[in-house]
Amino acid sequence: DQQVKQNSPSLSVQEGRISILNCDYTNSMFDYFLWYKKYPAEGPTFLISISSIKDKNEDGRFTVFLNKSAKHLSLHIVPSQPGDSAVYFCAARSIGNKLVFGAGTILRVKS
Amino acid sequence: NAGVTQTPKFQVLKTGQSMTLQCAQDMNHEYMSWYRQDPGMGLRLIHYSVGAGITDQGEVPNGYNVSRSTTEDFPLRLLSAAPSQTSVYFCASSPRGGTEAFFGQGTRLTVV
Repeated sequence: DQQVKQNSPSLSVQEGRISILNCDYTNSMFDYFLWYKKYPAEGPTFLISISSIKDKNEDGRFTVFLNKSAKHLSLHIVPSQPGDSAVYFCAARSIGNKLVFGAGTILRVKS
Repeated sequence: NAGVTQTPKFQVLKTGQSMTLQCAQDMNHEYMSWYRQDPGMGLRLIHYSVGAGITDQGEVPNGYNVSRSTTEDFPLRLLSAAPSQTSVYFCASSPRGGTEAFFGQGTRLTVV
């Protein structure tokens, strides 16, 4: 049973517009949620995180929103750039710093 | 500062062979873990360690062994390779109390 779900396998966005990537989770015990970005043939790199006690965290063009009642989080990228094209993984942290990942969303930003 | 280093980057094994995937980190992180990435399934935790001498199973541990004799190294052993173990393997480390994990470049393993 998947505890972290990314239901959109892919997303295509025009350069300069907003990209919104979504993630749902089932386990209320997760204490942190993270977004990772992955380019082909590279390891995932950390992008942004949010504590379970917050509802928003912003870092430059990237903002993560957390809705605990809905067990839903989203990553907003504004404005989107061609270099943002990558696979984005949502992850949730459990005990022992273990991360549970979603299946990933492929983002394509068209110029 | 090299971060997390995985070797080899690519490997082809025959069914039944054994091998060890190496992982080393130079950040003095307490936590280390191994994940496998398969299409449509994201990254799944194989084994993890919260410090030298301490390891535990993750979501998909069958067919893999680990040990943690030093803080820096966390090798993953495939005892008898099977085609189902064809995957991309990532090692990660994180500091105690930290939120993000740092990943290596990955090892692409094919079992024929």
